[in-house]
Amino acid sequence: ETGVTQSPTHLIKTRGQQVTLRCSSQSGHNTVSWYQQALGQGPQFIFQYYREEENGRGNFPPRFSGLQFPNYSSELNVNALELDDSALYLCASLDSSDTGELFFGEGSRLTVL
Amino acid sequence: QKEVEQDPGPLSVPEGAIVSLNCTYSNSAFQYFMWYRQYSRKGPELLMYTYSSGNKEDGRFTAQVDKSSKYISLFIRDSQPSDSATYLCAFHTGGFKTIFGAGTRLFVKA
Repeated sequence: ETGVTQSPTHLIKTRGQQVTLRCSSQSGHNTVSWYQQALGQGPQFIFQYYREEENGRGNFPPRFSGLQFPNYSSELNVNALELDDSALYLCASLDSSDTGELFFGEGSRLTVL
Repeated sequence: QKEVEQDPGPLSVPEGAIVSLNCTYSNSAFQYFMWYRQYSRKGPELLMYTYSSGNKEDGRFTAQVDKSSKYISLFIRDSQPSDSATYLCAFHTGGFKTIFGAGTRLFVKA
């Protein structure tokens, strides 16, 4: 069984630029969520995709957008980067149980200068 | 009032100690109560979950939920240096998002 993989692991951008982060879901999982984890904080929900449609969104502006592909892999796009966007971005796939257990990747650490 | 409150620590204990980690919450709609463990430079992994008040035990770990007080705890018995990590309480309403606490950093000294 293949776990959740994310790329890139680290990246540095400057304010105003755009970034795309990628995620491959765990085998058999058709739902993916993205979370932002600032230093010293818990993960904050950005949005969730189920069968290529966004079906839930947290309190993040529209410049945070996403895609899910037919193979259930996913992308997170952030436009017009701000310094406060510096964080660990975590992708998680979900199994079908009611508990909503999240299977996280190791994250992409974004630094905005 | 924050939806979830968790003391960030750090908490430092000697090997073999009993560790108690706690969270309070304000949302009565939470149905699932979870603890995730996050090692440095890794994503969180589910450690324990429960959906009812009371205790749930798994090896050295016990999760406790008191819905009337909106309080959850995680106890670690015979703590080991390998338990050194950040512990995140997490809550789920059955909808599409999980709410996490800020995490408590735990250090277990050999």
